Amino acid sequence: GENVEQHPSTLSVQEGDSAVIKCTYSDSASNYFPWYKQELGKGPQLIIDIRSNVGEKKDQRIAVTLNKTAKHFSLHITETQPEDSAVYFCAANTNSGYALNFGKGTSLLVTP
Amino acid sequence: DAGITQSPRYKITETGRQVTLMCHQTWSHSYMFWYRQDLGHGLRLIYYSAAADITDKGEVPDGYVVSRSKTENFPLTLESATRSQTSVYFCAIRPKGHTYEQYFGPGTRLTVT
Repeated sequence: GENVEQHPSTLSVQEGDSAVIKCTYSDSASNYFPWYKQELGKGPQLIIDIRSNVGEKKDQRIAVTLNKTAKHFSLHITETQPEDSAVYFCAANTNSGYALNFGKGTSLLVTP
Repeated sequence: DAGITQSPRYKITETGRQVTLMCHQTWSHSYMFWYRQDLGHGLRLIYYSAAADITDKGEVPDGYVVSRSKTENFPLTLESATRSQTSVYFCAIRPKGHTYEQYFGPGTRLTVT
């Protein structure tokens, strides 16, 4: 499938700091970009998403930005808390529209 | 709560055996998906289904079979399990009225010895 590249693979921040995770995609037809949070032993949980007609979306401490020209989008978490520690996945819809291509994940650790 | 259950949650099987993983949803959503999750590969789509009796291949379908005789169930069968199919398997649904959003079940951890 089309590639979704995600960086960094691991990220460690101190409580209260901000965390930024970046993704790039290759399919210019992609127009839906979700972010998932996965805690140990659980399924991925949709936390925020953005569509191509919007440049930024915010929900409390998390925000996502999209640059369609450059084909990249980012997740921003402000005022991080220990419970934000998890693996985060970005994704983009495929040209078929039905499926999602996922990045390989970022393991975020928030230390008190 | 997306109303998705997966069974079993854990399974150990031997190479060459047939094993079926079940996904059940409570709300009759049309679209259902099977993904596998492996370290270094993230989540990869195996098969998906747009409705009862309509299924299609994803990125990594080889060695897997699916069926969807009832809207609420989407079983995934490994006809002859191999060690490379050791993975965590996730079922997902796309709710009615939503264009792209997918919600995941709790997963099944499968080990093939």
